[in-house]
Order: sequence, then structure tokens, then C-alpha cells
Amino acid sequence: DAGITQSPRHKVTETGTPVTLRCHQTENHRYMYWYRQDPGHGLRLIHYSYGVKDTDKGEVSDGYSVSRSKTEDFLLTLESATSSQTSVYFCAISDRYGEPYEQYFGPGTRLTVT
Amino acid sequence: DAKTTQPPSMDCAEGRAANLPCNHSTISGNEYVYWYRQIHSQGPQYIIHGLKNNETNEMASLIITEDRKSSTLILPHATLRDTAVYYCIVRVDYTGNQFYFGTGTSLTVIP
Repeated sequence: DAGITQSPRHKVTETGTPVTLRCHQTENHRYMYWYRQDPGHGLRLIHYSYGVKDTDKGEVSDGYSVSRSKTEDFLLTLESATSSQTSVYFCAISDRYGEPYEQYFGPGTRLTVT
Repeated sequence: DAKTTQPPSMDCAEGRAANLPCNHSTISGNEYVYWYRQIHSQGPQYIIHGLKNNETNEMASLIITEDRKSSTLILPHATLRDTAVYYCIVRVDYTGNQFYFGTGTSLTVIP
């Protein structure tokens, strides 16, 4: 998975609790992304980062925040988890801006909110 | 916005060529077509990309029509390990490196 790890790999949490998912890369790539994947929707972009402390919203950003204090780490936070945020979350990285470029994906985190 | 349309599912016999179509009729002249696949429960994997010309790599071939409104991904000799969901993607947002994956084509390779 191109030097990308995600932690935790599985998590069960209760509605209303805060949750933080971590993406760690060893490739020194500038761009990092968080996606969620749900049946019938494919992958949808939540937030992305184009450098340390530089982030922006994606297609489905409501209820999520992100932070990137180091090149290698990109954190996704659910401030108050809801059942609708039960999903599989994927982190991705890429090393250039402008086409063409490839994104490399991590193994995913399966989050269940009860 | 350039969006893509793919059939939801396809079957292919093992050892035969798998041809996966994609329509992207609103694609702009400078937009690339990308193909990714996702094997069950794993993260998506890059396969190939193209702009105008046909492309080939160790995994697949990409055929893009002359008007660029459609393309076909070809897996020349499908194996059981090629069973996956295949996504055809055209980047539609230039404020960031954003991909819109859609729901893809679920390819089942049959023994």
C-alpha cells in the first residue's frame, strides 16, 4: 500500500463520542486525502490536504474536521460521531499537482457508530 | 463537469479478455481518463490513465475513442484475482487534486 498506514483498522464507538482516525505515510508525498466508502455511493472525498497546515473541503465534509501538522500525518476527526458516519474510511496520497497523477490508497479503517 | 457512466456489473470467463466500457461524453480537451480498481475490502489501486492516445502497461490497455467521449479498459487475460470493482474517473475539480470515483463496474471473473 505504498507506505501508507491507517490506524485504527477497526473501531466501534458510541453516538456522540469524538473519534480520530490517523493516516501515516512514509513517501513524503505532499497531497493527502480522506475518503469514505458506503454501499451505493462508491468513494466520496471528505477533505484533502495540499501541504502542512493546508487543507480544504471535499464533497462530503459536514461533520468532519482534519489536521495536518506534519507531512507524514493526516488526521480525520469526527467531533461527535453519528450513526450516519458508519463507513469505511480510506486515506490516499499523491506527489504532484496537475494531471496526470496517481493516488495511492491505504488499507482502510472500518468505523461503526452504534 | 465531466462525469462518467459505467455498467454496474459484468462477467468474464477466466483467460478471456475483459473489456470494461466507460462513457465520459462531457470530458474536456485537457482532462485525463483514469482507471482504478478495488479488490474486496482493500484500498483502490491505480491501473492506467490516458489523454488521447491508447495506452498499455503491464496491467491493462486503455482504448480512448477519437472524440474522447468514451473509453474501454482491457484486461487481456483475466484471472480470478482480477475480480474487483473498476472505476473510470475523470477529474472534475481544479481547486485541488480531487477524484470523483462514482460506483464503478463490478467485474466477476468466472472459472
